[in-house]
Formats: sequence, structure tokens, C-alpha cells
Amino acid sequence: QSVLTQPPSASGTPGQRVTISCSGSSSNIGTNTVNWYQQLPGTTPKVLIYRNDQRPSGVTDRFSGSKSGTSASLAISGLQSEDEADYYCAGWDDSLNGVVFGGGTKLTVL
Amino acid sequence: EEHLLESGGGSVQPGGSLRLSCAASGFTFSDYAMNWVRQAPGKGLEWVSTITNGGGTTYYADSVRGRFIISRDNSKDTLFLQMSSLTAEDTAVYYCAKRGANSWSHFDYWGQGTLVTVSS
Repeated sequence: QSVLTQPPSASGTPGQRVTISCSGSSSNIGTNTVNWYQQLPGTTPKVLIYRNDQRPSGVTDRFSGSKSGTSASLAISGLQSEDEADYYCAGWDDSLNGVVFGGGTKLTVL
Repeated sequence: EEHLLESGGGSVQPGGSLRLSCAASGFTFSDYAMNWVRQAPGKGLEWVSTITNGGGTTYYADSVRGRFIISRDNSKDTLFLQMSSLTAEDTAVYYCAKRGANSWSHFDYWGQGTLVTVSS
């Protein structure tokens, strides 16, 4: 049972917009920033969104992040087959005094 | 360009010990906190431990506290994870990850990982 809650799966067709949610609490998302990671099949995770809504250089603007209260979301627009991957949210938890990850969402492009 | 290379993984019996290393290059190692994150086969990411840039403060997940020790040698640009009292639940790929500039959960560079298998 992960501290941050994500749907285990999501799907969409090419060109669609998909949103992945990440629900937490006042001790993590409610007070600290959220980062999102993408893990393509068989590869190392890479940061997709940092500080809630910032994209590292090289990440397409089809990916966007947002945060409101104790929840965060990752949106992927113009869905492409190469977006098939596992997506994880992460944040610092003040009560646990450590980093917490969501359980991950497996995105399928139909 | 930043590069992280883990080593030291392998097979170990339950109750055994193992020491992982992570060699860093391409950045000023002593300026950044470092982390270990693991991923059990077919499972999600799990944060294991963080050490501040100078090594003076460490943080651990409840699942490893008291059994694992994170350390670093800034003169050799190397991060370590000493693991003891290993159980099957510790079987995973262990990644070292560099802390990004923006938060404790911002990992901007990851190594390729080293596999630890705990089995009799």
C-alpha cells in the first residue's frame, strides 16, 4: 500500500489526452512539491515533471503537471505509442521523514 | 554529462550482507545529496535512503532502517549502501540517483541499477 495513490492503469488512443492522478495527504503533497517519473519498458526511470509543473529540458510540452491541495495530476496530450510506460509520482513526506512514491500507473496506448 | 554506475549486486542468502557502490562522474559529487531507490521484480519504485552532500545526515525507509547504512566518500565520488540481515523482500534492482536542485524527491539522474537477489 503506497502512501501516494495512483490508478494502476490508464489508457488512450493516439492523439487523445490522458490524465493520471496522484492522491496524498497534508504531510506530503499538501506541503511539498511533486515530481513525476516515466519508466519506459526495460529502462531506468527519468524525471518528467519536477516541482509540480516544471519540465526538464528535453521533455516535450505534451507532458504537463499540476497540483491542488493534496492531489497532483500528470496530463499527456497528443498521446503517442512511445508514451507507453509506467508513470510514478513522488514527494517528500514530513511525517515519515522520507520520500514516498505512488504505486505507479501503467499507460497503454490502444 | 552526469553519470552514475552501480556495482556490487549479486545473489546472497537470507540473513546475509552485501555492499553496493555507485561511482559518480560528470558533476561535483560533494555538492549533491544522493539516494538509493529500489524496484522489486515487476513492482513499483521504492525509495530506500538519502544522504546529504556532506554525509552528515541520513534518511531511511522504515523497511530498511536498522539494517541498511548509506554512506559516501566524497574524495572518491562514490556512494555506498551496506545491506545486512537481508530477506527475500529485499530482492530488487537498486538504483542510485542524484538529488535534483528542487526538492528531496527530485532525482534528476539515475544509474542503470544493480540487481540484488536474496534466496536460499
